[in-house]
This record gives sequence, C-alpha cells and structure tokens, in this order.
Amino acid sequence: SYVLTQPPSVSVAPGKTARITCGGNNIGSKSVHWYQQKPGQAPVVVIYYDSDRPSGIPERFSGSNSGNTATLTVSGVEAGDEADYYCQVWDSSSDVVFGGGTKLTVL
Amino acid sequence: QVQLVQSGAEVKKPGASVKVSCKASGYTFTGYYMHWVRQAPGQGLEWMGWINPNTGDTNSAQRFQGRVTLIRDTSISTAYMELSRLSSDDTAVYYCAIGDVRQQLNPWGQGTQVTVSS
Repeated sequence: SYVLTQPPSVSVAPGKTARITCGGNNIGSKSVHWYQQKPGQAPVVVIYYDSDRPSGIPERFSGSNSGNTATLTVSGVEAGDEADYYCQVWDSSSDVVFGGGTKLTVL
Repeated sequence: QVQLVQSGAEVKKPGASVKVSCKASGYTFTGYYMHWVRQAPGQGLEWMGWINPNTGDTNSAQRFQGRVTLIRDTSISTAYMELSRLSSDDTAVYYCAIGDVRQQLNPWGQGTQVTVSS
C-alpha cells in the first residue's frame, strides 16, 4: 500500500515561514490535499489539488508537489496556525491515504 | 450550506458492535462519496472506507475488511458505519466526510467518540 511520510514536528517563530513536507513514491503524479486540525476539532482543508486554496483560507497557505515530495508552506506564521497538519492522496486502489501528521509549533 | 451531523458518543464492551450515523444536508446526498475516518487518542487520521451513496458500492481499508459495514439510507440522506468485534484499540473519534475520487474530503462531520471498555 502507498505510504506518505511527514516529519512529526516543525517549529517556527512568529512571522517566519514554515514548510511541512509529505514524502511518497512519485507523489508528484498524484493530487495532494492538506488538512489542518486543531485540538478537539475536525480537520479542515487548507490546500487541495496540490496548490489550490479554499475560500476563507489565508493566502499565507500555499502548496507544491513534485517528484517524491509535496510541501505545504505557511508564510508569516501566526500563533493561530499552531495545529496538526496532514497530507492526503488517493492511491491506485481507490483507497484514501493520510500522512502521519505534523505538529506545527509556533515558538 | 453543506453539513454532516453525526450521532452521539458511544460506550461499548469488547466484542460488541457499534453503529455510527452521519446525516447529510445542503447538497445532493447521492452526488458524493461518503468516507469514514477515525482518530485514536493522540494519533493521526486513519481512513476506514467509503460508500458511493448512489450505487451502494463500498471500498474499505484492508485492515478493516470483514469488520466494517458501510451502508446508506438515501430516503433520509444518512450514511452509517458499523464496526464489529470491538477491542480497546478501536477507542477513537470517528468522522464522516464527503469527497469523490481524487477529491479532497470536505466537509467533515463533528466526530463521534467511541469508547471500548470492559
């Protein structure tokens, strides 16, 4: 089965740029979706189809996908961005696959 | 607006089954796959399976095959997830969410806490 690998944690100072990676075999050939989950809440999409941003999500959130790595970038990080972030793809068996999640800590 | 409302918290004994419902509103129920995702305490998201509400076709993660049943009632726009032979490892928050093939899962239900304890 397809495996997505994320770093367990990323820390960044306020105002700086956070980059959260999602590794997978030839992930660049797949569409990657990113979710933000705050404690006690359901996940929310922040990036879909690699780099599209839903309405209501700040422009500070962006995404890219190439080769074996997809990246979620959060520019000008704010305290409110502190959350868990998950990447997600569909594999060739029509299964949904999530990465293990990355905890973003704002220092 | 699109909304998914799930049933309330459940406490079950090991070996029992649990059935969680997810009532959809604000869109055509048969137009989008309904997914089930769970999250154990302090752990990540784990996809369980999907049902196509239009056809009733289902697909589930291999580790749940034989133990999970996904059904729907189109007359009341509600999907159900039943998990059998529960163990303490099944203690988790269970979410429903909609999303077609290659799409993102959006939106999600509020989650249903299932606790398995003797």
